[in-house]
Amino acid sequence: DAKTTQPPSMDCAEGRAANLPCNHSTISGNEYVYWYRQIHSQGPQYIIHGLKNNETNEMASLIITEDRKSSTLILPHATLRDTAVYYCIVRVSPSNSGYALNFGKGTSLLVTP
Amino acid sequence: DTGVSQNPRHKITKRGQNVTFRCDPISEHNRLYWYRQTLGQGPEFLTYFQNEAQLEKSRLLSDRFSAERPKGSFSTLEIQRTEQGDSAMYLCASSSQLRRNTEAFFGQGTRLTVV
Repeated sequence: DAKTTQPPSMDCAEGRAANLPCNHSTISGNEYVYWYRQIHSQGPQYIIHGLKNNETNEMASLIITEDRKSSTLILPHATLRDTAVYYCIVRVSPSNSGYALNFGKGTSLLVTP
Repeated sequence: DTGVSQNPRHKITKRGQNVTFRCDPISEHNRLYWYRQTLGQGPEFLTYFQNEAQLEKSRLLSDRFSAERPKGSFSTLEIQRTEQGDSAMYLCASSSQLRRNTEAFFGQGTRLTVV
């Protein structure tokens, strides 16, 4: 699976949009971009995924650049409950490990009042 | 069904003891994964089941680690002769084969402390 690069930490004011970047310059054509988050002491939670088109759901929007070498997760109106570690994962579907996810260290997002 | 369930939530054991963790996946999910997470790191994939078949186990950390899913439903992860380095959060996740590119649902994890 392609390697991803994320900033280790970010801050965001409550009510503002949080834009979390991810670089995946070695992504292949059949690799998807997944975002998960992990709130302290809980298991990771799926947020969104995409291949090449921008995606939106009730939690977030995913913007993938045209060359697919980077993406941005957007939380449109961050709340204190969005404070978590956010993981960007690039994964072939499927692989020898089924749908196993290769987590990195992620971005620790702190939403402040 | 309320999601992936893991038991116990916390386990403290003495070095050298064996421990077993249980994972109950979402009922219609036939894929099950085990991960380990140490402090400050993202989860690390250990092993994967599709139904009762263990299709990937080369990432288990040592031969002290083993996992089973005998009837294709719940799974257990056993660590024999525990070491202090085994202290970590052990996470289980499940997903459905019926949906391509489906997300995995994670349990709350079992936190192991080896003293």
